[in-house]
Amino acid sequence: EVQLVESGGGLVHPGGSLRLSCAASGFTFNNYAMNWVRQAPGKGLEWVSGISGTGHTAYYADSVKGRFTISRDNSKNTVFLQLNSLRAEDTAVYYCAKSSIVVLVPGGYFDPWGQGTLVTVSS
Amino acid sequence: EIVLTQSPGSLSLSPGERVTLSCRASQTVSSNYLAWYQQRPGQAPRLLIYAASTRATGIPDRFSGSGSGTDFTLTISRLEPEDFAVYYCQLFGDSPPYSFGQGTKLEIK
Repeated sequence: EVQLVESGGGLVHPGGSLRLSCAASGFTFNNYAMNWVRQAPGKGLEWVSGISGTGHTAYYADSVKGRFTISRDNSKNTVFLQLNSLRAEDTAVYYCAKSSIVVLVPGGYFDPWGQGTLVTVSS
Repeated sequence: EIVLTQSPGSLSLSPGERVTLSCRASQTVSSNYLAWYQQRPGQAPRLLIYAASTRATGIPDRFSGSGSGTDFTLTISRLEPEDFAVYYCQLFGDSPPYSFGQGTKLEIK
């Protein structure tokens, strides 16, 4: 069974940093791109970032470019999202999601999703 | 960037009814790259449909997708109590960002 388990969320002050992790199991990890998607309280879904199966290619939403960094450790079946210079508007549940293919362009559909980890940016 | 607009924003229906949800793209897109997701309260999204009309593994056949060009639809033939949720369309192909529609909330009347 494919499983994705996020961790690392919490309360952080504006301007602070956080590192999210997503541990994957049940599939050959380096054969699939991975993505992060966030959902602000009571709002819709926003794609944040994606990384190819090899880790050589990454893309970001304009709203996080230059502040967030995605990476992966294929030896540990884990994808990370480093969140820097956090703002109140970054408050959201962050989901990791497995892509259906190894590359990012063209992309694949997202299946499955983890249960999410909550990031709260507040003073 | 292609924008996806879903309609209606919300609607109230009764179990057993049929419903069609709409997702419109701001420009022509390949149907190969259109997906639908369901999100129940307090849960992560779940893939329902990909390539506009292919049901994901384990999805009941009361869910169907169709469309091409700029107009896509998700139809639920007979609503079950567990179908009352928020539904999102997504464009995942060509190039990032992999945008989502704003969602349609299906409520029990």
